[in-house]
Amino acid sequence: EVQLVEAGGGLVQPGGSLRLSCAASGFTFSNFGMNWVRQAPGKGLEWVSAISGSGGSTYYADSVKGRFTISRDNSKNTLYLQIYSLGVADTAVYYCAKAYLPGPPAASDIWGQGTMVTVSS
Amino acid sequence: DIQMTQSPSSLSASVGDRVTITCRASLGISNYLAWYQQKPGEVPKLLIYAASTLQSGVPSRFSGRGSGTDFTLTISSLQPEDVATYYCQKYNSVPLTFGGGTKVEIK
Repeated sequence: EVQLVEAGGGLVQPGGSLRLSCAASGFTFSNFGMNWVRQAPGKGLEWVSAISGSGGSTYYADSVKGRFTISRDNSKNTLYLQIYSLGVADTAVYYCAKAYLPGPPAASDIWGQGTMVTVSS
Repeated sequence: DIQMTQSPSSLSASVGDRVTITCRASLGISNYLAWYQQKPGEVPKLLIYAASTLQSGVPSRFSGRGSGTDFTLTISSLQPEDVATYYCQKYNSVPLTFGGGTKVEIK
């Protein structure tokens, strides 16, 4: 069964940092790009970042560029999102999602259950 | 960046009705358009990719059309289990922008 399981969310003070992880199973992880998508409470979906299958190419939304770093460890089938300088606007459920085809960033066919990040003092 | 605009933002229809949601890109994106369904309290689910290709396991009452800037998602006969928010997403290039969503309810 194809599965993505996120971890690492929690309550963080403004200005703090956090590292999210996403453990993948059931598919050849290194063959597919991966996405991070977030959803603030009661709001819509926002694409945050993507990474190629090899990890050699990374992409970011303007809203997080310079503060978020996406990475992957294909030997561990794990995706990461390092988040710095957290602000209240970063409060959201963070989903990792698998691109539906190999190659450039693409739509997501498999989603994790999400991990909640709450930024509050 | 290309903006994705969905309409309407919400709709209410009766069981069995034909429902159409529109997604418009501010610039052409060829057919690099996906549709997702997110039921209350659930994770988004891919319905359609490449503008018109139905994801495996998705009921055939869902269909997508369009190319360039104008796209539609149609539910041919609305069912109670279709109550959800529907999102379009472009993926021709980054950023992979989502539309604002369309909330579908049963009348």
